[in-house]
Amino acid sequence: DVVLTQSPLSLPVTLGQPASISCRSSQSLVYSDGNTYLNWFQQRPGQSPRRLIYKVSNRDSGVPDRFSGSGSGTDFTLIISRVEAEDVGVYYCMQGTHWPPYTFGQGTKLEIK
Amino acid sequence: EVQLVESGGGLVQPGGSLRLSCVASGFTFSSYWMSWVRQAPGKGLEWVANMNQDGSDTYHVDSVKGRFTISRDNAKNSLYLQMNSLRAEDTAVYYCARQLERLRDWGQGTLVTVSS
Repeated sequence: DVVLTQSPLSLPVTLGQPASISCRSSQSLVYSDGNTYLNWFQQRPGQSPRRLIYKVSNRDSGVPDRFSGSGSGTDFTLIISRVEAEDVGVYYCMQGTHWPPYTFGQGTKLEIK
Repeated sequence: EVQLVESGGGLVQPGGSLRLSCVASGFTFSSYWMSWVRQAPGKGLEWVANMNQDGSDTYHVDSVKGRFTISRDNAKNSLYLQMNSLRAEDTAVYYCARQLERLRDWGQGTLVTVSS
C-alpha cells in the first residue's frame, strides 16, 4: 500500500500568517491517465472531513482562495496564505492513484498560536 | 445540496454484527461510486470499502475482508455496510462518501462501538 507521510504533525500558527503542510508519498502518484490523484481534506473539531483540494491543485467549490495545493510525483504541499481562526483543525492528504486501498496521511493538527 | 445521512451505529459485543445505512439526496445516486471511510476515536482516517454504480464491482480494505460487505440499493438511494465478526479495533465513526474525483462529499458519520 502507498504510505503518505505528512509533516509537521503539529502546526501552531499566528493569525494572518501563512501555513504549509507537506505530504510525501512512498511512490509516484501519477496515474495511467496522466492525472495525479492527491487530495487534501480539512476536519474541523467535531465535524466530518471536508475536501479542499483535488488532483493536487484544484480547489473545491466554496473553498477560500487562501488555500492552495501544489506538487508532483511524490512531493505535495498544502499552503494557507493567511491563517484565520476558522482554519483550526486537522488536515489530511489522501491518494487515490494506487487503489485499493485509498490511503491517508497521519494528519496535521493546525492550531492558533 | 448533496446530503449523506448515515445510521445504524451503536454498541455491539465482540463477534457481533451491525448493518450501517447511508441515504443519499441532492444528486443522482446511481451515477456514482460510493465509499465507506472510518475514523477510530482520536485517530486518522481509514478507507474501508467502495462500490461502483450498479454494484457489480466492490473493493474492501484487507483488515475487513471476509467480515464486512458493502452493498447498495439505487432504487432507495441507499448505501449499506454489513459488518460481521466485529472486533474492538472496528470501533470508529463510519462515514459514507460520494466519489467524484475520488472522495468528494461526506456524511456526518455514525459511531460503532465494539465492547463487552
